Amino acid sequence: DGGITQSPKYLFRKEGQNVTLSCEQNLNHDAMYWYRQDPGQGLRLIYYSQIVNDFQKGDIAEGYSVSREKKESFPLTVTSAQKNPTAFYLCASRGLTDSAEAFFGQGTRLTVV
Amino acid sequence: DAKTTQPTSMDCAEGRAANLPCNHSTISGNEYVYWYRQIHSQGPQYIIHGLKNNETNEMASLIITEDRKSSTLILPHATLRDTAVYYCIVRPHYGGSQGNLIFGKGTKLSVKP
Repeated sequence: DGGITQSPKYLFRKEGQNVTLSCEQNLNHDAMYWYRQDPGQGLRLIYYSQIVNDFQKGDIAEGYSVSREKKESFPLTVTSAQKNPTAFYLCASRGLTDSAEAFFGQGTRLTVV
Repeated sequence: DAKTTQPTSMDCAEGRAANLPCNHSTISGNEYVYWYRQIHSQGPQYIIHGLKNNETNEMASLIITEDRKSSTLILPHATLRDTAVYYCIVRPHYGGSQGNLIFGKGTKLSVKP
């Protein structure tokens, strides 16, 4: 089935460790996005990529890094520089044709202890 | 910042129509109105979008005022599974960074038996 997959669903890390969240899509979408969601809040854009080997910072990129080596994959690394990394992380993708809708993964809940 | 204003929460009786309003008074001529919903601890799900005409699909109807400054999402027969946060978003219809989805806090719809 076509879709967008995030893994793992739950992730626990010790403070000071880098951690990488996976996002894979087989929808042949050009654009991919990472959002962060805190309890009771909307989604905030971390990074986005519209083409392989290119990506742009969103509103809250500090403490995060990404890569886009393949069209299907857009991993997010939460670095030790991110001061408050515990959150729900959502990946999305969409085509770049007019009015294309976005498809979201089921999210990764990261807890840093 | 999000370009839309929505009520924080709404209740609806099961089986009745749920009407969710959205104000987007600064919408530009090339911007579509999109609706997504997010069931607790899941990724957002696309519902519907429109430019200026009313739209209907298997999930919902979208009514856009003639001046396009506001819209209403209608769930014709709400069920308990429609309990979710509903996000109204405006964005240009073309691709590129201006087509990124910017989320506000949405409306938490509670469908009650």
